[in-house]
Amino acid sequence: GAVVSQHPSWVICKSGTSVKIECRSLDFQATTMFWYRQFPKQSLMLMATSNEGSKATYEQGVEKDKFLINHASLTLSTLTVTSAHPEDSSFYICSAGGAISSYNEQFFGPGTRLTVL
Amino acid sequence: TQLLEQSPQFLSIQEGENLTVYCNSSSVFSSLQWYRQEPGEGPVLLVTVVTGGEVKKLKRLTFQFGDARKDSSLHITAAQPGDTGLYLCAGESGNTPLVFGKGTRLSVIA
Repeated sequence: GAVVSQHPSWVICKSGTSVKIECRSLDFQATTMFWYRQFPKQSLMLMATSNEGSKATYEQGVEKDKFLINHASLTLSTLTVTSAHPEDSSFYICSAGGAISSYNEQFFGPGTRLTVL
Repeated sequence: TQLLEQSPQFLSIQEGENLTVYCNSSSVFSSLQWYRQEPGEGPVLLVTVVTGGEVKKLKRLTFQFGDARKDSSLHITAAQPGDTGLYLCAGESGNTPLVFGKGTRLSVIA
């Protein structure tokens, strides 16, 4: 149990275009989903926290108009990188938490590698 | 701001050696989780420790939560090349997002 999928696993796009990344909890309902960004050989950087049916809470320094997050159902959250630029190239990882255990455990997706040309 | 300091940042050892990774904070956590991440993949949850002083074993991996729930350690016995990866500790406190350490990158050489 506790499987989280992400799609696509990698994407290459031109500068100025928008890219949507999907995060799905496959076998549980995720009341909260998290979006992280990871640069090479570094740890995870939390971008935003989203709760189903409400607006996402963005971390300081993360542009909410650039990184649009939608958590419309208990099994799906999407991250849209709008007007992508080469500096947005990174590994984006989502995680999901829910009533799986009594602890605040998060289960991570496999990540999406975004390359902006 | 809660911080988790992980050490060492990098570790390269020979197959068969033992190693310990440390995760320290000045803050108290309700629980602490250890993850392992391989290149190009998402982190995978290894264990959650909750009680001060708790010790959990997962095959050759031993996890310990400090008595004051401010620190934790991961000990690997007889490391194997398959243990290579980025090890992350993460602390949970109430309803705030998990606080992640910067990770320990382990390389086990055959």
